[in-house]
Order: sequence, then structure tokens, then C-alpha cells
Amino acid sequence: DVQMTQSPSSLSSSVGDRVTITCRASHDISGYLNWYQQKLGRAPTLLIYLTSTLHSGVPSRFSGVKSESNFTLTISRLQPDDLATYFCQQTFISPPTFGQGTKVEVK
Amino acid sequence: EVQLVESGGDLVEPGGSVRLSCAASGFTFMTYRMHWVRQAPGKGLEWVSDINTDGSSISYADSVKGRFTISRDNARKTLYLQMSSLTAADTAVYYCVKEGRYMSAVPFDFWGQGTLVTVSS
Repeated sequence: DVQMTQSPSSLSSSVGDRVTITCRASHDISGYLNWYQQKLGRAPTLLIYLTSTLHSGVPSRFSGVKSESNFTLTISRLQPDDLATYFCQQTFISPPTFGQGTKVEVK
Repeated sequence: EVQLVESGGDLVEPGGSVRLSCAASGFTFMTYRMHWVRQAPGKGLEWVSDINTDGSSISYADSVKGRFTISRDNARKTLYLQMSSLTAADTAVYYCVKEGRYMSAVPFDFWGQGTLVTVSS
């Protein structure tokens, strides 16, 4: 199975800060990388698919990019509503696999 | 509006069985691959199983193979997961998930609210 390694496992930033989360795959997954947001006690929701395409209704402060073998989720200006855990996922090689998650706290 | 409503989660003894259901609405259920994903308490997300549109192609995670059975009833717009020989390691919230189709990408675009299965004596 493709192992997805996310970093950091948690972070704490202030409102308005730029936040970046990184995900690396153990195999080539082309650009088939998705990002999900999970708020406490809720189901995950899709943020970004195919590395950089925002899902419908997702605020433009979220963005995704690939650089060499690293995939990055960026929140350009952190908002209180962004308090959540973020997961990456690859859907290029079956079975689909997730990163272990990054918990984002807002100071 | 896409809705996925799971049911059937319960407290089950080790070695027991339970069947989860997921009622779908707001989209053409019969034309989408569906998945089950689980999340143990305080842990990450683990893909469990998927089924194609007509049930002819099914996959399972190694951790559940031979114990879980996924199925679907397109007439009833319902997805199922039959779980047997349960152990404490199967304790988790189980999510019913719709697979999207966006160009060549197949992200998990809608998730149910989840149903909790607790395996304990």
C-alpha cells in the first residue's frame, strides 16, 4: 500500500497567519492527491482534489500544490473556523490511503 | 443536496456481527462507486471497502477481508456493510462515502455523519 506521511502532526497559529501542511507519498501518485478537513465530532469534508482543485464551496484561502514529491496544503490567512484536523489522501493506487492527519489549533 | 445517512452501529461482543446501512439521497446512487471508511476513537481515517455501481467489483482492506461484506441495493438507494467476527480493533465510527468523478480524479466528495460500532464484552 502507498504510505502517506503528513507533517506536522499538529500546529498552533494565530488568526491571519499563513499555515502549511505537507504530505509525502511512498510511491509515485502522479497528482491524485486530495485534502480533507475534519472538525471535531464531524465527518470529513473534501477541500481539494487532484492536488490543487478546490471543491465546490471551499474558501479561496485554501490552496494546494505539488513540488517534486511533496504535496502542500496552504491556508493563506487562518480563520477561527479553520480549527480542524486535515488529512491528505491518495487515490492513484488501490487501496486509497490517508495521511495520519494534522491538527490545526487557532491561538 | 447529497445526503448519506448511516445506521446500525451498536455495542457488539467480540466475535459478534452487525450490519450497517447507508441510505443515500440527492444524487443518482446507482451511477457512483461507494466506500466505507472507518475511524477508531482519536485516530486517523482507514479505508475499509468499496463497491462499484452494479456490485460486480468489490475491494476490501486486508484488515477486514474475509470478515466484512459490502453490498448495495440500487433500487433502495442503500449501501450495506455486513461485519462479522468482530474484535476490539474494529471499534470505530464507520462512514459511508460517495466517490466523486471530476475529470480523472475520484475523490471522496460526500461523507455520511458516521455510525459508531463498539466491540466490547
